[in-house]
Amino acid sequence: DGGITQSPKYLFRKEGQNVTLSCEQNLNHDAMYWYRQDPGQGLRLIYYSQIVNDFQKGDIAEGYSVSREKKESFPLTVTSAQKNPTAFYLCASRDPDYGYTFGSGTRLTVV
Amino acid sequence: EDQVTQSPEALRLQEGESSSLNCSYTVSGLRGLFWYRQDPGKGPEFLFTLYSAGEEKEKERLKATLTKKESFLHITAPKPEDSATYLCAVQAGNYGQNFVFGPGTRLSVLP
Repeated sequence: DGGITQSPKYLFRKEGQNVTLSCEQNLNHDAMYWYRQDPGQGLRLIYYSQIVNDFQKGDIAEGYSVSREKKESFPLTVTSAQKNPTAFYLCASRDPDYGYTFGSGTRLTVV
Repeated sequence: EDQVTQSPEALRLQEGESSSLNCSYTVSGLRGLFWYRQDPGKGPEFLFTLYSAGEEKEKERLKATLTKKESFLHITAPKPEDSATYLCAVQAGNYGQNFVFGPGTRLSVLP
């Protein structure tokens, strides 16, 4: 079945540490996205990529970085510059007619 | 600034008690309005896309409608398995491929 795979499901980060969240899709979608979800708030866009080797900042890109070396993969790195990284992170790809297909999410906690 | 609000924030229904969720939006040039269902700890799942005022879509006990300023998600005779958070998102002309998400309505259906 086609879909988006995010890993790990749970991730713990120590102060000052960089961590990378994985996102892989087999839907053959060009566009991929990273969103952050906090309780009581709508999903907020971190980064998006419409084509391989190209990506753009979203509304809350500070403290995050991405790469898009392959169509199937769009990893997100949460750097030590992100002061409040505890959140639920969602990766998505987009079909022009049906909107987003989301992964199952990664819950990141600072310890 | 484009905005999406949802009400109520939380809704508790008895099984079989029909109700509606509201999604209000102020955007420049609506290109589409999307409804998603999200279960705890999981990514959102696509439900409906609406493109123009007056349009309606149905799926099992759910019906989505769209006006020029808001969308409603009507739930008829809900069952406990309908319990979830329902998100709406708008795709506006200014954002191109990117969406603006509302904060969601958390629905609980009691047996």
